[in-house]
Amino acid sequence: SAVISQKPSRDICQRGTSLTIQCQVDSQVTMMFWYRQQPGQSLTLIATANQGSEATYESGFVIDKFPISRPNLTFSTLTVSNMSPEDSSIYLCSVSDRDYGYTFGSGTRLTVV
Amino acid sequence: SQELEQSPQSLIVQEGKNLTINCTSSKTLYGLYWYKQKYGEGLIFLMMLQKGGEEKSHEKITAKLDEKKQQSSLHITASQPSHAGIYLCGAVHRRTSYDKVIFGPGTSLSVIP
Repeated sequence: SAVISQKPSRDICQRGTSLTIQCQVDSQVTMMFWYRQQPGQSLTLIATANQGSEATYESGFVIDKFPISRPNLTFSTLTVSNMSPEDSSIYLCSVSDRDYGYTFGSGTRLTVV
Repeated sequence: SQELEQSPQSLIVQEGKNLTINCTSSKTLYGLYWYKQKYGEGLIFLMMLQKGGEEKSHEKITAKLDEKKQQSSLHITASQPSHAGIYLCGAVHRRTSYDKVIFGPGTSLSVIP
């Protein structure tokens, strides 16, 4: 299965600042997906990132708050902008893996203070 | 209402007992995935089901897909403390290779020794 390296694994940030999360895959993939998991909750899809085009955002998520870059077929970044304590969550990237469903990165645990 | 529902929400069983977790979709299923998550950790892929009537087993875990009912079940036989965690079902609602996965709310399983 694909191997995903996600950085940072955790961070504590001041409100009003921004954090960029990186996701590196060991193989070329068409789509990359970004999820948020709020404390005690399931995963919620933020957006789908396709290389060479604008990311597609789910209802409730906007590009100004969660800008995404997808410069090539193995890399993507998600930025959480102008953070507030409500943004404290685990953020995960995911890719489609033909034999193993969807593979997930280990996640970025973000705490906003 | 949610696109995917899971039941029960939480489950506490005695070690050695069997248990079943259900996942019901409000939309047509084109793929159903089961994952396990332990607190503070990433998602562990368990099973991928793509055809109506499909049944897969791995060690003591069996998953089935009832496409007509838009349901899947995950059955654990002779549960062990290592089975404890949160079980998440994820569904693909379009017939493509790279569509997004929507997750259910999760079922929290505790196994008492």
